[in-house]
Amino acid sequence: DAGITQSPRHKVTETGTPVTLRCHQTENHRYMYWYRQDPGHGLRLIHYSYGVKDTDKGEVSDGYSVSRSKTEDFLLTLESATSSQTSVYFCAIRGLAGEEQFFGPGTRLTVL
Amino acid sequence: AQRVTQPEKLLSVFKGAPVELKCNYSYSGSPELFWYVQYSRQRLQLLLRHISRESIKGFTADLNKGETSFHLKKPFAQEEDSAMYYCALATGGTSYGKLTFGQGTILTVHP
Repeated sequence: DAGITQSPRHKVTETGTPVTLRCHQTENHRYMYWYRQDPGHGLRLIHYSYGVKDTDKGEVSDGYSVSRSKTEDFLLTLESATSSQTSVYFCAIRGLAGEEQFFGPGTRLTVL
Repeated sequence: AQRVTQPEKLLSVFKGAPVELKCNYSYSGSPELFWYVQYSRQRLQLLLRHISRESIKGFTADLNKGETSFHLKKPFAQEEDSAMYYCALATGGTSYGKLTFGQGTILTVHP
């Protein structure tokens, strides 16, 4: 499982509240990614990081921010959660051998 | 911009039948392609990468640059192959390892 964990695994929250999801890796990988998974859309990249304090936007970054103050942790924050952000969120790291990525177990977020 | 298309949202076959999951991509450079599998409510797992030309769990996939395709095939499907399958494209270079995913195909193998 490439030493990737996500917390929490499940969360129910209300519209307008801030939410932070955590991705933790034990492999000391440089590149980390946040995706959301929605039926009919596959996986879409929200934000990614290419080093400590180095982050950039993906294709669906509106309403999300990220931070990476340590190599092992990559945080995804929903500033003010909306129902359209109900989804399953996956964190991933890039492998050392090539371009493949390895995924965490996912966080199922429901915004009521 | 690069794009990955998986034309079938759902694919159903019977156990023992051949199965082919289609993947087409658009990218002007030299692509690196992957197939990922996600069993029910689990994390995505890497199934195949085109550069290694391997066969995993009986699945194979060949990159056809002329047709810009990377279809996943298995000659005899098994019930345990039922899962969501994603095709993904890496463009290398300065892309920071980002992957572009297709919409996914849900494969159901009936007994």
